[in-house]
Amino acid sequence: QQQVRQSPQSLTVWEGETAILNCSYEDSTFDYFPWYHQFPGESPALLIAIRPVSNKKEDGRFTIFFNKREKKFSLHIADSQPGDSATYFCAASRGDTGKLIFGLGTTLQVQP
Amino acid sequence: DTTVKQNPRYKLARVGKPVNLICSQTMNHDTMYWYQKKPNQAPKLLLFYYDKILNREADTFEKFQSSRPNNSFCSLYIGSAGLEYSAMYLCASSRDNNQAPLFGEGTRLSVL
Repeated sequence: QQQVRQSPQSLTVWEGETAILNCSYEDSTFDYFPWYHQFPGESPALLIAIRPVSNKKEDGRFTIFFNKREKKFSLHIADSQPGDSATYFCAASRGDTGKLIFGLGTTLQVQP
Repeated sequence: DTTVKQNPRYKLARVGKPVNLICSQTMNHDTMYWYQKKPNQAPKLLLFYYDKILNREADTFEKFQSSRPNNSFCSLYIGSAGLEYSAMYLCASSRDNNQAPLFGEGTRLSVL
């Protein structure tokens, strides 16, 4: 059973558009939700993260929207750039265990 | 140095032979993780150390072993490699359970 579900599997947007990546989770005790991005040949790198005390977290062009009731969270990438093309993983963890559970990833392609 | 280092970057192993992968960090992080990443799959947590305490996932309990002789060093040991072990192995570390782990560049293991 996939504890963290991610969609879409792949996404293509034009430069300047907003890319929206979605995730949902099963375990209501999860309390930390990071997004990682991974460029070809590199390791996953933390992009932005949120805790359930907030329903929105912004960092430049990257925004997480969090819906605790529906157990969903999404990453919005505003003004997408070709350099944003990468695989994006959402994840969830519980603070007392430290176990980070990943989604399957979304491959984002930003067309110039 | 704020990186997680993994050696080797590439490893070729024969079926039935042992494999030992090495990870190190000098950030004094309490927790060190090992993930397995296969193409088109989510990174899968294999095990992690919180300080000197080893936590292994139930479905990988018998397949992987690990040691952490000091805070900086952690190894992943496969006693008898099978073809299904071919994957990228990612080591990560975090200061505590409430931080997103920092990943190393990974070791790509090919079992022939």
